[in-house]
Amino acid sequence: ETGVTQSPTHLIKTRGQQVTLRCSSQSGHNTVSWYQQALGQGPQFIFQYYREEENGRGNFPPRFSGLQFPNYSSELNVNALELDDSALYLCASSFPGTEGNEQFFGPGTRLTVL
Amino acid sequence: KQEVTQIPAALSVPEGENLVLNCSFTDSAIYNLQWFRQDPGKGLTSLLLIQSSQREQTSGRLNASLDKSSGRSTLYIAASQPGDSATYLCAAWGTGQNFVFGPGTRLSVLP
Repeated sequence: ETGVTQSPTHLIKTRGQQVTLRCSSQSGHNTVSWYQQALGQGPQFIFQYYREEENGRGNFPPRFSGLQFPNYSSELNVNALELDDSALYLCASSFPGTEGNEQFFGPGTRLTVL
Repeated sequence: KQEVTQIPAALSVPEGENLVLNCSFTDSAIYNLQWFRQDPGKGLTSLLLIQSSQREQTSGRLNASLDKSSGRSTLYIAASQPGDSATYLCAAWGTGQNFVFGPGTRLSVLP
């Protein structure tokens, strides 16, 4: 059984550019959630995908968008990057209804916007 | 709107001590509460999950309790070791279909 994986590990972009981050869910999990973690803070919920549909969204602008594929892997896209988008982006997978909906996190992608 | 706080923000203890980390949440209508460990610059490692119907969970030297009525959870670490040094985060899963995280407690265990 493989855990949650994310790519790339690190990324440097300039303001105004666009970025795509990728996440592969743990085997058997059909739900992926994305979080943004600024330095020294707890993760903030961006959105969740369940069976390829968005299933909840936090307080993030529309330039944060996502996709989930039939194999339950997911992408996070951020357009028009701003300096404040610099953060660690975490994805988590789960299988709702089992074991209390325990979330399993990937190692994260560190995004730096210059 | 759920808000989660953690006390203390940072803690430094000598090796071998037993310690308690505190987590408070404002909305008691939660489905579960999960504790995580995060090493610097890394992802989150799940430590314990307590479902709303449970009062506590144990794993090795870790014990987590949940009191929904008072909006509190505690993580007890027995016989702390330098390898326990990390940031500990609690997160509450409620009606919003997502986890709300606390800011974390940064733990340093000194040899």
